Amino acid sequence: RKEVEQDPGPFNVPEGATVAFNCTYSNSASQSFFWYRQDCRKEPKLLMSVYSSGNEDGRFTAQLNRASQYISLLIRDSKLSDSATYLCVVNGWTTSGTYKYIFGTGTRLKVLA
Amino acid sequence: GAVVSQHPSRVICKSGTSVKIECRSLDFQATTMFWYRQFPKQSLMLMATSNEGSKATYEQGVEKDKFLINHASLTLSTLTVTSAHPEDSSFYICSSPGTASSYNEQFFGPGTRLTVL
Repeated sequence: RKEVEQDPGPFNVPEGATVAFNCTYSNSASQSFFWYRQDCRKEPKLLMSVYSSGNEDGRFTAQLNRASQYISLLIRDSKLSDSATYLCVVNGWTTSGTYKYIFGTGTRLKVLA
Repeated sequence: GAVVSQHPSRVICKSGTSVKIECRSLDFQATTMFWYRQFPKQSLMLMATSNEGSKATYEQGVEKDKFLINHASLTLSTLTVTSAHPEDSSFYICSSPGTASSYNEQFFGPGTRLTVL
């Protein structure tokens, strides 16, 4: 089982649609959670951190469920510029005793005009 | 946020040559630098973690004699791919947690696309 799993997509949605991405992680000791956005052939850029209480930034809402080891990202009123790959990222201690970021494979979103 | 530069952005080389990739922290001192590799349609995979003034820690399966990492100063870390082969063609990215703890945001370099012919 992968440490961080995401549906690779692609999700093709019309402008203005609401789209939700899910992510599950296997290490219950994970401590910090993030959503990153990666455009083609570019480096990842932080979209938002994810907290158990949920957090919202404009059209973006992220949620963490520690009991289910599940993270979500909701994008409302999709724009063409939202087209990208969304990476679920988990920080924490590994079973080998190192601390590192674990990236999901990403979910590709295409917003269509 | 903190800025990390990375050079070159793209390199094409012949099989058997060595390629050096540089990552510089421009406005902070990077005690730690992570090196990642990303193949098409795959996630970023951590190759190694370097700390200034000490030997890098390599992830399982990454050959330390092939991927040489040097972190001699607080603003520069380098990755040298020695005797590169076509299977080393990939997108290499460095990142640093800046001066904050590793719990926080990572600051990424823009990446280097390596193509080995």
